[in-house]
Amino acid sequence: DIQMTQSPSSLSASVGDRVTITCRASQGIRSDLGWFQQEPGKAPKRLIYDASSLQSGVPSRFSGSGYGTEFTLTISRLQPEDFATYFCLQHNSFPYSFGQGTKLEIK
Amino acid sequence: QVQLVQSGAQVQKPGASVRVSCKASGYTFSSFHIHWVRQAPGQGLEWMAIINPSGGFTTYARNFQDRITVTRDTSTSTVYMDLSSLKSEDTAVYYCARLATRDVDVWGQGTTVTVSS
Repeated sequence: DIQMTQSPSSLSASVGDRVTITCRASQGIRSDLGWFQQEPGKAPKRLIYDASSLQSGVPSRFSGSGYGTEFTLTISRLQPEDFATYFCLQHNSFPYSFGQGTKLEIK
Repeated sequence: QVQLVQSGAQVQKPGASVRVSCKASGYTFSSFHIHWVRQAPGQGLEWMAIINPSGGFTTYARNFQDRITVTRDTSTSTVYMDLSSLKSEDTAVYYCARLATRDVDVWGQGTTVTVSS
């Protein structure tokens, strides 16, 4: 099974900051990775698919990069609504697997 | 509009089974796989299973292999997730989701399952 290691587990930042979250796969997954945002009490919402493609309707301050085993999600200028928890999900092979999550908090 | 509507919250005793339903509407049911994902209180997301509604083929996560069954009813565009031999650790919010890569993802509202004696 593919293990996804996400870091950091939590992150404090200010509005306007640039932040980066990383996911590492235990084996190569090409670009078969998505990034999700989850607000408390709500279902997740995908921001990025295929590692670097922006989902329709998602602000351009979100971007993804990476291939193989190392992937990043970058938020270029944090907005108040961005403080949430973020997860990566690999869909290269079954069983699919999520990273452990990164909770982004206001500094 | 495209939506997935799940059944309501349930409380079950340890050792019992639970069935959660997920009714799809607004799109061609057979065209998109449905996933099941769960989230224990204060924890991360855990992928559980996938079903192809067209042929009913399923794949399960190893952690649930012996306890989970996912089925579908094409006449009602509904997917069912059965989980047996429940333990307290199965207390979680269970989501169904349509996660086709290049389409907007669609999630059910979540179903809270509480396992308690």
